[in-house]
Amino acid sequence: EAQVTQNPRYLITVTGKKLTVTCSQNMNHEYMSWYRQDPGLGLRQIYYSMNVEVTDKGDVPEGYKVSRKEKRNFPLILESPSPNQTSLYFCASSSPGLAGRGIQYFGAGTRLSVL
Amino acid sequence: AQTVTQSQPEMSVQEAETVTLSCTYDTSENNYYLFWYKQPPSRQMILVIRQEAYKQQNATENRFSVNFQKAAKSFSLKISDSQLGDTAMYFCAFLSNFGNEKLTFGTGTRLTIIP
Repeated sequence: EAQVTQNPRYLITVTGKKLTVTCSQNMNHEYMSWYRQDPGLGLRQIYYSMNVEVTDKGDVPEGYKVSRKEKRNFPLILESPSPNQTSLYFCASSSPGLAGRGIQYFGAGTRLSVL
Repeated sequence: AQTVTQSQPEMSVQEAETVTLSCTYDTSENNYYLFWYKQPPSRQMILVIRQEAYKQQNATENRFSVNFQKAAKSFSLKISDSQLGDTAMYFCAFLSNFGNEKLTFGTGTRLTIIP
C-alpha cells in the first residue's frame, strides 16, 4: 500500500530537548516536504527536498533542520524546541511529473506540544 | 507571492443538500494548479479535486465539482448530495507552475453535515 509514515503521532516534550520526527515514503517519490498546521493559518511549508541530498527552506524554516540521505526518508529535527513550535506537523511526498503535479501524499500528522 | 483566501471559517448543511465552499487566490501567473484538500477528524489530508489553470473545463470527481473562474481568480467547491462523511475541514491550495512543488494553502473551512 502506498503511504507516507510519520512517527511519532503524538509527542510532548520540554523546551530545549532535541527531538526528531521521522517520515518515510514507499512510493519512490523524488519530492518530500514538511508542513506545519496552526489554527487560522492553514498549512505552511517548513522545508522541502527535491531529491537525495537536495534540501531547501520553505516559508517558516526557523528552528528546524532536515536531511535527505536516502530517497525514502526525510526526518524533521528540532534542535532546541520552543513553545512556539507547538503545532501539528505533516510530511508529504510527490512525484512532480506533469500528470502528478501538486498531488501530494500526506502522512497522518504529528501533534507536538512543547512545554 | 501567491495568497489563498477562504472567507468562510465554518459552514453547516443538512445531509443530502448541496453546499458550496468559496476560495479566491491572487497570482500574476498564467499557468498554475488549484486543489481542494479534505481533512476529516482523523487529521489525514486527502486530495479531493485538482484543476489545471490552462483547462477551461471545470474538474469533477463524483459528487465534488469546482467552479473555476480564472479571470476572477475564484475556485469554489460544490458538494452535491452531502453525506455525513463529508464532515471535515476543507483547504483550498495553490501550486505555482514554477518552483518547488510548494502548496500554498488557505486557512480552511470547517464543514459540518447535519443528520
